Amino acid sequence: DTGVSQDPRHKITKRGQNVTFRCDPISEHNRLYWYRQTLGQGPEFLTYFQNEAQLEKSRLLSDRFSAERPKGSFSTLEIQRTEQGDSAMYLCASIRFQVLGPSYNEQFFGPGTRLTVL
Amino acid sequence: DQQVKQNSPSLSVQEGRISILNCDYTNSMFDYFLWYKKYPAEGPTFLISISSIKDKNEDGRFTVFLNKSAKHLSLHIVPSQPGDSAVYFCAASARRSGTSYGKLTFGQGTILTVHP
Repeated sequence: DTGVSQDPRHKITKRGQNVTFRCDPISEHNRLYWYRQTLGQGPEFLTYFQNEAQLEKSRLLSDRFSAERPKGSFSTLEIQRTEQGDSAMYLCASIRFQVLGPSYNEQFFGPGTRLTVL
Repeated sequence: DQQVKQNSPSLSVQEGRISILNCDYTNSMFDYFLWYKKYPAEGPTFLISISSIKDKNEDGRFTVFLNKSAKHLSLHIVPSQPGDSAVYFCAASARRSGTSYGKLTFGQGTILTVHP
C-alpha cells in the first residue's frame, strides 16, 4: 500500500495524559499537512511541513500541541495534557509540491486517528 | 469565521437521478476548489477540482460548476448510484498566498444518500 498511513487508528486516553500520533506520507511527497475533524464539521487545518520545516501553524494549535517531521519523511503530532475538547479525528495529508511544476492541490489523505479523551 | 459553507447537511436522491451539492465561499483569495468524498472510518478521497480561471470541469459522472461572481460552486453527479452515498466536502485553496499554498479550507460537509 503506497498511500498515506496513520498510526494508531484509534486512541482512547484519560484527561491529562499525553498522546502521540504518527503519519507516514506518500514517499515522494515533500509537503505534509495535519487537520482535525470534529463531529459534523469539515477538516480544519492545524499545521504543515515542507520537508522538515514547519511552515505554518493554525491558531487552533495551542501550546499543548507540537508537531515534528525530523527527517522530512514521517511526522508526529503530540498532544500534552489532553482535554475532552481534544476528542476528534486527526487527519494527515500529503502532496508533492514543485515550485516550477504543475499547480495541483489534490492532497492525499490518510485514514485518520480517532482520539477519544475520557 | 466559516469561509466555506455547505448549507445543506444532507441530501437524499433516487438512483439514476441527478445529485446537486452546493457550496458557498466568502474569501476572494480562494482560486482553487476541490470536492472530496468521505466514507465512514476512512480519510477524505479527492473527487474533482476546478481552477478559478474556469467555470466548469467534468470527469465522467461528476461535473463541478464555479460561479465566481456569486462565490458559489456546485457538484453534479449524473446518474447517481447507491455507491455514491457518502459525505461530500467542498474545499478551497488560495494558491497565490505563497507559503500557504495547498492549505485547504473545508466546508461542513453534506451527507448524500442515494436510494436504490
